[in-house]
Amino acid sequence: GQNIDQPTEMTATEGAIVQINCTYQTSGFNGLFWYQQHAGEAPTFLSYNVLDGLEEKGRFSSFLSRSKGYSYLLLKELQMKDSASYLCAVSWGKLQFGAGTQVVVTP
Amino acid sequence: DAGVTQSPTHLIKTRGQQVTLRCSPISGHKSVSWYQQVLGQGPQFIFQYYEKEERGRGNFPDRFSARQFPNYSSELNVNALLLGDSALYLCASSLEWGTDSNQPQHFGDGTRLSIL
Repeated sequence: GQNIDQPTEMTATEGAIVQINCTYQTSGFNGLFWYQQHAGEAPTFLSYNVLDGLEEKGRFSSFLSRSKGYSYLLLKELQMKDSASYLCAVSWGKLQFGAGTQVVVTP
Repeated sequence: DAGVTQSPTHLIKTRGQQVTLRCSPISGHKSVSWYQQVLGQGPQFIFQYYEKEERGRGNFPDRFSARQFPNYSSELNVNALLLGDSALYLCASSLEWGTDSNQPQHFGDGTRLSIL
């Protein structure tokens, strides 16, 4: 199979750090993408990894280990507006998404 | 610059009817993909088009069809609608296509289709 697994929901406090894990059972993909989706809105592109390692983009960082079938998205200095669903997707040109992780940021 | 635009934003149909959804990609983008998203799930790949040719198809029945026009806009058609077709239909565009492409796909706001 080509399952992509993410936790269903995570809760964190404003200003904190949250790490969203994504595991997958596939190989040979081009890259791994992370998208943010607010309720009722379109997914917006956050970050992607082609090679193993860490990619940093401001408050968001993404990590990939192909040998371990594992990626994570790190959100730092959480803000209330970061409350959203975060989608992990592997790419072969087309995107195959996980079910998403709902992040709830509390005051 | 305008992003990916989709129309209509909302649509209500009854079982057995047919529907056409429309998408205009970001200017300069030649690849358009369609996804179906049901509540609580990630988007599921339906079709990908590049230079007016179908380049990929997901696990959807033949009731689903699509095409891409010379101006790179696209239409998704669904015939003989079923209750289970109720979902958010997302269009995404990217500069290029290819199994080795890592161009990010940019999504439109979607069409919310409700089947009664």
